[in-house]
Amino acid sequence: GQQVQQSPASLVLQEGENAELQCNFSSTATQLQWFYQRPGGSLVSLLYNPSGTKHTGRLTSTTVTKERRSSLHISSSQITDSGTYFCASPQGTGSKLSFGKGAKLTVSP
Amino acid sequence: EAAVTQSPRNKVTVTGGNVTLSCRQTNSHNYMYWYRQDTGHGLRLIHYSYGAGNLQIGDVPDGYKATRTTQEDFFLLLELASPSQTSLYFCASSDAPCAETLYFGSGTRLTVL
Repeated sequence: GQQVQQSPASLVLQEGENAELQCNFSSTATQLQWFYQRPGGSLVSLLYNPSGTKHTGRLTSTTVTKERRSSLHISSSQITDSGTYFCASPQGTGSKLSFGKGAKLTVSP
Repeated sequence: EAAVTQSPRNKVTVTGGNVTLSCRQTNSHNYMYWYRQDTGHGLRLIHYSYGAGNLQIGDVPDGYKATRTTQEDFFLLLELASPSQTSLYFCASSDAPCAETLYFGSGTRLTVL
């Protein structure tokens, strides 16, 4: 089945610094997604990016399908960006998403 | 904004106990999912459904049953709970498989003693 690997597992930044999160997936994905989980909370969809570059606010995702990788760039990080970021990619026929183990981001003042 | 409501928020039971986790979505989505989240594993799919009466097996189904009684309601059943099922459970819904937006509930923290 689809394997999704994220790196780094955790990242500590000071407010204002940029964050770069990586996601590698084992088979060609057409529906790569990024999710955010606030500490102790639920998950929300951040970006749907099957290929190319997508932006929303301070977030930029670049997915290179042929190389089976995606990145999430967070510019000018804020304390409220702290939490865990997941990437997810469909398995097989596409009815099920496989999630990575997450990348925990801590932004300090 | 799609709403997914889970209950209870927290649950404690004993080994061998019977537990039902409930999920309701109010956006008439076809697809509903049950995930468990554990440290070091991320989210893992237990069961999912693409409509009332339908049930599909996920990646970690052992020890779990599920039932989709209506378009809105999806239940996860643990008939003989074990400590290995102590986890944070999330329900989610979407209007299509692997849709652009997946809506999650707030989660149910289950502890099996």
